Amino acid sequence: SQWGEENLQALSIQEGEDVTMNCSYKTYTTVVQWYRQKSGKGPAQLILIRSNEREKRSGRLRATLDTSSQSSSLSITGTLATDTAVYFCATDAGTQVVGQLTFGRGTRLQVYA
Amino acid sequence: DPKIIQKPKYLVAVTGSEKILICEQYLGHNAMYWYRQSAKKPLEFMFSYSYQKLMDNQTASSRFQPQSSKKNHLDLQITALKPDDSATYFCASSQTGQHSGNTLYFGEGSRLIVV
Repeated sequence: SQWGEENLQALSIQEGEDVTMNCSYKTYTTVVQWYRQKSGKGPAQLILIRSNEREKRSGRLRATLDTSSQSSSLSITGTLATDTAVYFCATDAGTQVVGQLTFGRGTRLQVYA
Repeated sequence: DPKIIQKPKYLVAVTGSEKILICEQYLGHNAMYWYRQSAKKPLEFMFSYSYQKLMDNQTASSRFQPQSSKKNHLDLQITALKPDDSATYFCASSQTGQHSGNTLYFGEGSRLIVV
């Protein structure tokens, strides 16, 4: 899982495989957002899942949220080489500050063609 | 075409000098932000601007000063640069300045190296 002082995690898989990345957070949040960052680019949001949702899907992506264990996961089915990136989860950590997200350290995913 | 333009993309600065990072967004958003990403820390929130007003400054020292001359413009002035300031600085924006559930749109970043 990504968070806190943990090092950036890394996964290497073959194209076509499915993958699940996990995230745990320490503070109450109203939403969990998953972002993807490709090399040399800024992060781009993939999915936003709210605290009253347990699952959210978008194309090949599926996010889950378990507020009782304060954890979330992002699954990608049928990965493509273009899915190679660093994936971050981000929470609002209960803050009232507009636009303030707390990001995890991320999972580096390498998909080989 | 990128909708959030950051300039310069790369820069090298001398310790003690001053630099300005430029950000313009063409998404029609009302809120803009600065984040910092370094090798040592996760992506980290710095400033929040909504309708050209500073909403919050979380972790940045007074050497970091955001400047907003127009609604779609948020520059970052950094003075008395230190090697620890070396990082990639990302500008981001969102449709509204409301709190929960905002999708942030990020620029491609300005990579700063202080020697």
